[in-house]
Amino acid sequence: DAGVIQSPRHEVTEMGQEVTLRCKPISGHDYLFWYRQTMMRGLELLIYFNNNVPIDDSGMPEDRFSAKMPNASFSTLKIQPSEPRDSAVYFCASSRGLAGTYEQYFGPGTRLTVT
Amino acid sequence: QKEVEQNSGPLSVPEGAIASLNCTYSDRVSQSFFWYRQYSGKSPELIMSIYSNGDKEDGRFTAQLNKASQYVSLLIRDSQPSDSATYLCASLRDILTGGGNKLTFGTGTQLKVEL
Repeated sequence: DAGVIQSPRHEVTEMGQEVTLRCKPISGHDYLFWYRQTMMRGLELLIYFNNNVPIDDSGMPEDRFSAKMPNASFSTLKIQPSEPRDSAVYFCASSRGLAGTYEQYFGPGTRLTVT
Repeated sequence: QKEVEQNSGPLSVPEGAIASLNCTYSDRVSQSFFWYRQYSGKSPELIMSIYSNGDKEDGRFTAQLNKASQYVSLLIRDSQPSDSATYLCASLRDILTGGGNKLTFGTGTQLKVEL
């Protein structure tokens, strides 16, 4: 079974440009999470979806960030305009929301560098 | 006080020894706990989950949970150099306790297994 798939794996862009990160969750998983990881702040939850509906976006840093999940097999995280402080590794994770489990599985991540 | 606290390390142990990684949490409502292993430049990988008080063993790994003391630990027996990584502890408040399906991560403990 394929794991969580993310693209691109690396992204280098200039300040002010739009960046779109993509994620395909594990088939059958009904929860999808976007995280950001930096040395300074560790692993932070940005937003998560349940059955394609955003449940909690309280971790989204500001209006420059937006996320969508148009169907059960695809999600995007968009940054517009990007800034150097957005440089980080962005992870997507998915899980099945069964009682007693909720185990989250992470994708390989997208390393974003904004110059 | 952080919700999930870990000693950042590094924790150095000789090959073949037992490595003991510790985690405390502040939210008494947290029900489920997870240990993730993260190699440098890679994504977090789920290695253990524990939901009830006591010990849970899986191969060389044993997770221990004490809800009264709000303490979770991970023991790695017969430590190998390949175990050298950062270990992240995470807690979850499930839907029944109003937490949705959000994980709260500690900042991780770096483990070094020396030859």
